Amino acid sequence: AQSVTQLDSQVPVFEEAPVELRCNYSSSVSVYLFWYVQYPNQGLQLLLKYLSGSTLVKGINGFEAEFNKSQTSFHLRKPSVHISDTAEYFCAATSGSARQLTFGSGTQLTVLP
Amino acid sequence: GAGVSQSPRYKVAKRGQDVALRCDPISGHVSLFWYQQALGQGPEFLTYFQNEAQLDKSGLPSDRFFAERPEGSVSTLKIQRTQQEDSAVYLCASAHDTQYFGPGTRLTVL
Repeated sequence: AQSVTQLDSQVPVFEEAPVELRCNYSSSVSVYLFWYVQYPNQGLQLLLKYLSGSTLVKGINGFEAEFNKSQTSFHLRKPSVHISDTAEYFCAATSGSARQLTFGSGTQLTVLP
Repeated sequence: GAGVSQSPRYKVAKRGQDVALRCDPISGHVSLFWYQQALGQGPEFLTYFQNEAQLDKSGLPSDRFFAERPEGSVSTLKIQRTQQEDSAVYLCASAHDTQYFGPGTRLTVL
């Protein structure tokens, strides 16, 4: 069964600084990877996804992620964060014939002024 | 519609009551998923529909949980005899290929 690990539960960072949120997954068999963002009292919004092809994936709001098969990682990056990026970020995966997503436990990104 | 909608947004129930949570998916989306999100955790899969067929219910935590999608559109998640451990946010997602999530229903069982 697929598992997803987000290594940092909280990441504080100053405004305009770069940030990396880490994600590792367990199964490489036909894996599809996603990053979602959740603002308070809202549902999950898709930031970006990796299905196949280029290992560098660009998403909304200036975020990007890189699929690294050898390290089974899919880390999320942004070169310069804004106060409005403060939210909970979830990495998710699906693999094989499964349709449902397996989520990590989330990383709370707090952007400080 | 423009997105996935869920109702009610908030539900408070006394222990032992039955509750019903509704999900309206994006029009034309064949696939529909329910997830449970406990406080401070990531969402966990409950069940999956393709049209009206419930293809996977392996994530339902007990036989008190029941989901249906009789006409292949709106879905209802029903929880019978609610317990305190059922308190969570229940998320619905619909998909053509990528899953799009609704705002969730926050259930509090007292």
